[in-house]
Amino acid sequence: GQQLNQSPQSMFIQEGEDVSMNCTSSSIFNTWLWYKQDPGEGPVLLIALYKAGELTSNGRLTAQFGITRKDSFLNISASIPSDVGIYFCAGQLVGGGADGLTFGKGTHLIIQP
Amino acid sequence: DAGITQSPRHKVTETGTPVTLRCHQTENHRYMYWYRQDPGHGLRLIHYSYGVKDTDKGEVSDGYSVSRSKTEDFLLTLESATSSQTSVYFCAISPTSVQETQYFGPGTRLLVL
Repeated sequence: GQQLNQSPQSMFIQEGEDVSMNCTSSSIFNTWLWYKQDPGEGPVLLIALYKAGELTSNGRLTAQFGITRKDSFLNISASIPSDVGIYFCAGQLVGGGADGLTFGKGTHLIIQP
Repeated sequence: DAGITQSPRHKVTETGTPVTLRCHQTENHRYMYWYRQDPGHGLRLIHYSYGVKDTDKGEVSDGYSVSRSKTEDFLLTLESATSSQTSVYFCAISPTSVQETQYFGPGTRLLVL
């Protein structure tokens, strides 16, 4: 299946820093989802976006559905140790049906002491 | 958290034996999915269901079968387990296939020796 291009693959940051990651594609999506996965756990939905240009916040997290419908970004402000984990983007292609989502390969967020 | 459970959470089995993984949901969602997650490959769709007794193949369906006799249960069977099926298996559910939002279970770690 098609993959989303998610970047960066990994980030090494200091506690308190802001974080930005994004997903891009050559295809058009009608839904963008951002998930976080902790070791040994399943992905947990953070933010869902359904309209081009939509900007949505969830606490210190902010995500936007790109105006071209081909990209999305996730920002984390003032990172804390519990933000460590793998962040995945996922999108549903326009015309995509029940076999649903295309996933990025993840961004590993590591907070250095 | 969405009401999704997976059983067993961990399993070790031998090559050639059949294995069945269970996904149970309490959300009454119509759509259910089985994924496997492997390093370097991310999440890949094995099979999905769009209703009771309605299932279809995903990207990596060879060697797997599924059944859904009730809304709340989606079973994944490895007919004759192989070492290449060692993976982490996730179930997901979604209320709709239009602008779908998938919620994931905690996962099953399967080791095939």
